[in-house]
Amino acid sequence: KQEVTQIPAALSVPEGENLVLNCSFTDSAIYNLQWFRQDPGKGLTSLLLIQSSQREQTSGRLNASLDKSSGRSTLYIAASQPGDSATYLCRFNAGNMLTFGGGTRLMVKP
Amino acid sequence: NAGVTQTPKFRVLKTGQSMTLLCAQDMNHEYMYWYRQDPGMGLRLIHYSVGEGTTAKGEVPDGYNVSRLKKQNFLLGLESAAPSQTSVYFCASSYSHLGGRDSPLHFGNGTRLTVT
Repeated sequence: KQEVTQIPAALSVPEGENLVLNCSFTDSAIYNLQWFRQDPGKGLTSLLLIQSSQREQTSGRLNASLDKSSGRSTLYIAASQPGDSATYLCRFNAGNMLTFGGGTRLMVKP
Repeated sequence: NAGVTQTPKFRVLKTGQSMTLLCAQDMNHEYMYWYRQDPGMGLRLIHYSVGEGTTAKGEVPDGYNVSRLKKQNFLLGLESAAPSQTSVYFCASSYSHLGGRDSPLHFGNGTRLTVT
C-alpha cells in the first residue's frame, strides 16, 4: 500500500523566512503529485500539480520539486508571510489511486 | 464562479438517523469524489464516480451510499448514522480520471458532521 508521509507535522517560523515542506512516498510509480493548502474550516485549494516527467513547478513564491528516485517532493515557500499560515497537504497519484499525506501545519509569525 | 459547492456546511445527527450530503459542481467535470478527513487519518476516499450514472467504492465505503443521477451532482447518503461517522466530509471533482495527466482535484469547503 502506498504511504505518503509529511514531516514535520507542524512548523512555526518568523515572517520572511524561506522554508521547505517535505512529502515522501514509497511507490516510485508516480503519475503526478499535487500540493494543496487548507485553511481552518475550509476545503483544499490546489497550489501546484507536478507531473512525473517534470522536476519542478513554480507559482509566485511557491516552488514544488519532484525527485522520483528518492521518493520525495518538496514545497519551497520564499519570503514567508503570515497569510501563508495554513495546513499544506501533498497528494500522490499512482494512476489508480490517490493518496494524501497527513499534512504539515504551518504558522508564520509576524 | 462557484466551483464545487457542498451543502449543508454543518449537521448534528443522533445515532441511527439518516441524512444526505449534496455536492454540486459547475465545471462539467466527469469525475467526482467523496472524502472524509479525520485527525491523524488524513483524507480517505469513501466513494467516487467516473461519470453520470456510475459509482464505485473507495477506501472506506462501509456505512455510506452514493448516487450520481446528474453529472453535476454527487450525493452521499448515511442510512443509519454512527458516532464513528463523525468527521469532516469533502467533495471533490476533476476533469479527467484519477490517472489523467491534467487531473487536479477541485475541492468543496466541507461538511462538518457530528453524530451523537
